[in-house]
Amino acid sequence: GQQVMQIPQYQHVQEGEDFTTYCNSSTTLSNIQWYKQRPGGHPVFLIQLVKSGEVKKQKRLTFQFGEAKKNSSLHITATQTTDVGTYFCAGPQGAQKLVFGQGTRLTINP
Amino acid sequence: NAGVTQTPKFQVLKTGQSMTLQCAQDMNHEYMSWYRQDPGMGLRLIHYSVGAGITDQGEVPNGYNVSRSTTEDFPLRLLSAAPSQTSVYFCASSYGAGTGASKQYFGPGTRLTVT
Repeated sequence: GQQVMQIPQYQHVQEGEDFTTYCNSSTTLSNIQWYKQRPGGHPVFLIQLVKSGEVKKQKRLTFQFGEAKKNSSLHITATQTTDVGTYFCAGPQGAQKLVFGQGTRLTINP
Repeated sequence: NAGVTQTPKFQVLKTGQSMTLQCAQDMNHEYMSWYRQDPGMGLRLIHYSVGAGITDQGEVPNGYNVSRSTTEDFPLRLLSAAPSQTSVYFCASSYGAGTGASKQYFGPGTRLTVT
């Protein structure tokens, strides 16, 4: 079935550096969601993108949905220690399933 | 609202034992699902339900059963536990998924170890 691939698997940055994670699908997605999971916690919804070329911002986080609706990215500007965690993208598989990427684990050196 | 609750938080089983992981939500969501999370594998869909009385398989359904007798509850049964089922299990609920996706609310998870 359709898969959502996410890269990189791990990213270590110095506090204040930027961070980007990428999500790619082999098929066109009707929507894409992003989640954050803090260490030891559960995934928490961040945002959903539905339109081709859509860009949404949440403070230092910028989310993009590709023009072809096959890829998406999450960019964090000037990382802070509170950004530590694993970031997941998720896309629909068929009419009723939601499948997740493998996640990108972000660690930060203060 | 309590949101999505899961019990137990931790569980240790011996190979061959059976058990039920409980999940309940109080948001009147029609859609509920179970995921397992293993290192490097992300979240993999086990089973899902689009409403009471309706369940279907996800990516990794083998060794698990589900039922949905009420809107609120969606238990996950391990029939005969195997070490490969050692994982963290998350239950989630929402108004929809797939092409009609909406925000998924996750429970706190159950950490299961099978020895």
